[in-house]
Amino acid sequence: GDSVTQMEGPVTLSEEAFLTINCTYTATGYPSLFWYVQYPGEGLQLLLKATKADDKGSNKGFEATYRKETTSFHLEKGSVQVSDSAVYFCALSAGGNNRLAFGKGNQVVVIP
Amino acid sequence: NAGVTQTPKFRVLKTGQSMTLLCAQDMNHEYMYWYRQDPGMGLRLIHYSVGEGTTAKGEVPDGYNVSRLKKQNFLLGLESAAPSQTSVYFCASSQSYEQFFGPGTRLTVL
Repeated sequence: GDSVTQMEGPVTLSEEAFLTINCTYTATGYPSLFWYVQYPGEGLQLLLKATKADDKGSNKGFEATYRKETTSFHLEKGSVQVSDSAVYFCALSAGGNNRLAFGKGNQVVVIP
Repeated sequence: NAGVTQTPKFRVLKTGQSMTLLCAQDMNHEYMYWYRQDPGMGLRLIHYSVGEGTTAKGEVPDGYNVSRLKKQNFLLGLESAAPSQTSVYFCASSQSYEQFFGPGTRLTVL
């Protein structure tokens, strides 16, 4: 079935460093792709999305490009802040009824 | 505009007890979902609903039941709680592929 794979393990980096979180997917058809963010003690909220190949989603300095040829949707930010510390989930539309399939998430810790 | 709310926020149960988690949304969304979040497992879909009076099984439905008697409410029930159901439970609603999440319920089953 449709699925999302995120890179293993937490990510720890210093303030103003460059962040990349890898996401690859397996899907039949042409899914929409999403990044959700979960701040400590909260539910998930949509960070950005892309609905077709070569689309770039962007929000709050984060970007991700829908790459059909490599089945990837990597998340990047050029200069992270302590406030970006959170768990980031990659997701794709799967199975109809607006359902989403989520990756396992990556904890990002930004150190001052 | 409260969005998606969940009650309770925390709960501790003993094995075999029952309980109901309530999810409410004020966005008039047709679709609602219950997920569980466990360390290293991401979010897994338990049950979902595509409209008032409908329910469907998700990825991990065993041990749970749901009801959607009113469009704005989606209830998740545990008839006989087990330690394996210790988790954080999230409700979400949507009208498209963008889902809006509640703050979660942390459930511990002893």
